[in-house]
Amino acid sequence: EPEVTQTPSHQVTQMGQEVILRCVPISNHLYFYWYRQILGQKVEFLVSFYNNEISEKSEIFDDQFSVERPDGSNFTLKIRSTKLEDSAMYFCATQSEGMGNEKLFFGSGTQLSVL
Amino acid sequence: AQSVTQPDIHITVSEGASLELRCNYSYGATPYLFWYVQSPGQGLQLLLKYFSGDTLVQGIKGFEAEFKRSQSSFNLRKPSVHWSDAAEYFCAVGAGNSGYALNFGKGTSLLVTP
Repeated sequence: EPEVTQTPSHQVTQMGQEVILRCVPISNHLYFYWYRQILGQKVEFLVSFYNNEISEKSEIFDDQFSVERPDGSNFTLKIRSTKLEDSAMYFCATQSEGMGNEKLFFGSGTQLSVL
Repeated sequence: AQSVTQPDIHITVSEGASLELRCNYSYGATPYLFWYVQSPGQGLQLLLKYFSGDTLVQGIKGFEAEFKRSQSSFNLRKPSVHWSDAAEYFCAVGAGNSGYALNFGKGTSLLVTP
């Protein structure tokens, strides 16, 4: 089965530093998403991205967050100035079509620890 | 607002026994409902989904779920659990204007004993 690849698997950073989380989508997929899961809590939607622009974002996705496809293949999530509460598992997900018959493929996640 | 409740944080079953994981949702319209499984160190894998039609949905790994509108439930079942089914299970409801802006429950951790 095709896979969504996320790098790094673990990222440790100091509070206030910028981090970039990377995702390699499945090659023919057009919709891209970031979710996060704080330890012990539920998985939360952050943002969806289609046709090189954000199509939807949650209230979590504030000005400290940004997404882009810098080279047309990788899909990145940038946190400009990390806070302690940004510590979480971040999941990338990709999809070949809009909601309907296609399913969402999740990566294995990047565990972000902000110290 | 959409929400999902999984009442059981942990469930323990014996191998070979039947399993039912509960999920209740709150949603104004006909929901898009999903069950995902997460093994340690792995991503989320889709077990099954319900969009419309037959309310009994078959998924992978022998799982099924039944959509009951009157009870606002979408419980996951398996007739005979295998040790490899031990994992975290998440129920989710579709939300948002595009694609899969999913609203997840907090998950149920399944432990399978010999």
